[in-house]
Amino acid sequence: GEDVEQSLFLSVREGDSSVINCTYTDSSSTYLYWYKQEPGAGLQLLTYIFSNMDMKQDQRLTVLLNKKDKHLSLRIADTQTGDSAIYFCAETPASGAGSYQLTFGKGTKLSVIP
Amino acid sequence: GAVVSQHPSRVICKSGTSVKIECRSLDFQATTMFWYRQFPKQSLMLMATSNEGSKATYEQGVEKDKFLINHASLTLSTLTVTSAHPEDSSFYICSARLATDTQYFGPGTRLTVL
Repeated sequence: GEDVEQSLFLSVREGDSSVINCTYTDSSSTYLYWYKQEPGAGLQLLTYIFSNMDMKQDQRLTVLLNKKDKHLSLRIADTQTGDSAIYFCAETPASGAGSYQLTFGKGTKLSVIP
Repeated sequence: GAVVSQHPSRVICKSGTSVKIECRSLDFQATTMFWYRQFPKQSLMLMATSNEGSKATYEQGVEKDKFLINHASLTLSTLTVTSAHPEDSSFYICSARLATDTQYFGPGTRLTVL
C-alpha cells in the first residue's frame, strides 16, 4: 500500500531555515500536503502542491517536489519559536481513484532553539 | 480559509457510557467528512469516511457498531463512541473535504475514558 516517510525530529536555531523532508511511494499521488500540529491541537493546513508543479512558495514557506524521486520538502525561512510543532506530510491519490483519503507520514517534530 | 469546528474539545466519561462528538464545517458545505484517531506521538489513523446522506465507510479493523457515524447534513457529521472503554481514550480529529480535494481539519476532541 501507499507509504509516506518522514524523519521524526529536527532542531534548528531561531532565524535559521528549516527543511523538512518527506518521501512517498504512491506514483499516482496527485496532491501533496503539509500540515502543522501544535501540542494538543488539530491539524492546520499549511500548504499543498499539485503533482504537476515543482515548487510553490507562500511567504516564508517553500515547497519543493521531485516527482521522479517521489521526494517532497518544506522549507521554512527565518524560523521562529512559534514554528515549533509537528509537521505532517500527506498525499492523496488521483481524483476518482477513491474517496480522497489522505495517507500521512508519522510527522516531524520541529524544535526551534531561541 | 475553510473552518471546521469540533465539539466538545475535551471530554471525560466513565467506562460503559457513550460519547458523541460533533464535526461542523462552518463556512462551506462538505459532501465528504473523515474521522481520524491519533494515539500519543503517532500519526493519524483514518477510521471512516462519511458521505452526506449515506452510510459511512469504515477502515479495516474499525468496529462500525462501536463508532457510530452520522452525516445528516452537508455541514454536520457526528461520531458516537458507544460503550466507551479506557482503550478508546484518544484524540479524535475530523476533517471536511472541499471540492478541490483539500481537507480541512477540526481542532480535535480529547476523549478520556475512566
